Amino acid sequence: DGGITQSPKYLFRKEGQNVTLSCEQNLNHDAMYWYRQDPGQGLRLIYYSQIVNDFQKGDIAEGYSVSREKKESFPLTVTSAQKNPTAFYLCASSPLERSEQYFGPGTRLTVT
Amino acid sequence: QQQVKQSPQSLIVQKGGISIINCAYENTAFDYFPWYQQFPGKGPALLIAIRPDVSEKKEGRFTISFNKSAKQFSLHIMDSQPGDSATYFCAARAFSGNTPLVFGKGTRLSVIA
Repeated sequence: DGGITQSPKYLFRKEGQNVTLSCEQNLNHDAMYWYRQDPGQGLRLIYYSQIVNDFQKGDIAEGYSVSREKKESFPLTVTSAQKNPTAFYLCASSPLERSEQYFGPGTRLTVT
Repeated sequence: QQQVKQSPQSLIVQKGGISIINCAYENTAFDYFPWYQQFPGKGPALLIAIRPDVSEKKEGRFTISFNKSAKQFSLHIMDSQPGDSATYFCAARAFSGNTPLVFGKGTRLSVIA
C-alpha cells in the first residue's frame, strides 16, 4: 500500500511537554511538508524539506522543530514554546519533478 | 504577493445545482493551480489541477476555469450531490524552484436535498 502515514491519529499532551508527530511516506517523494490547520484558517505551512538533511521554515515555524534524516520520514516536534499547539497537523509530500502534492490523514493534537 | 484569496467562505447549494468557488492570486510566477477536497477529520485530497496554458479543465462533474489576465480561477461542481459536502481549498505554486503550495482559506460546501 503506497501512501503517507501519520501516527497517531489522536494525541493528547499536557501543557509544557514536547511531543513528536510521525510522518512516513513510501512514495519515494523527495519533498515533504508539515501544515497546521485551525478552523477558518486554512492550511498554514510550518516546515518543508526538499532533500534529506535539509529543511526550511514555513510561515509559522516558531515553537516547532523538524528533522529529515531519511527520505521517507519527516517527524515534527511541537515544543513547549508553541503557545497554541492544539490543532490538526497535516503532513504532505511531492516528487520534485512534478507539481502534485499529496496529504496524509492528519494527527489531531490536543494540549491541556 | 504570496496570497491566494478564496471566496465564498461557505456555500449552500441545492442537490443538482452548480457549486462555484472562486480564487484570485497576485503572483504572476504561479504556474500550477490545484483544488483539494477535504472531509471532516481527513487529510485534503487532490481533486483537479490546471496550468495557465489552458483556460478550462474538466474531470467528470468538476471543472476548473482559469482566467490568466484576471489572475483568477474557479471550481465548478456540476449536478452537486450531498456527498460533495466538504471543504474545498484552492492553491497555487510556482514550480520553478519547487516552492510549497500557497493555499486559500477554504470554502465549506453544503449540498442539501
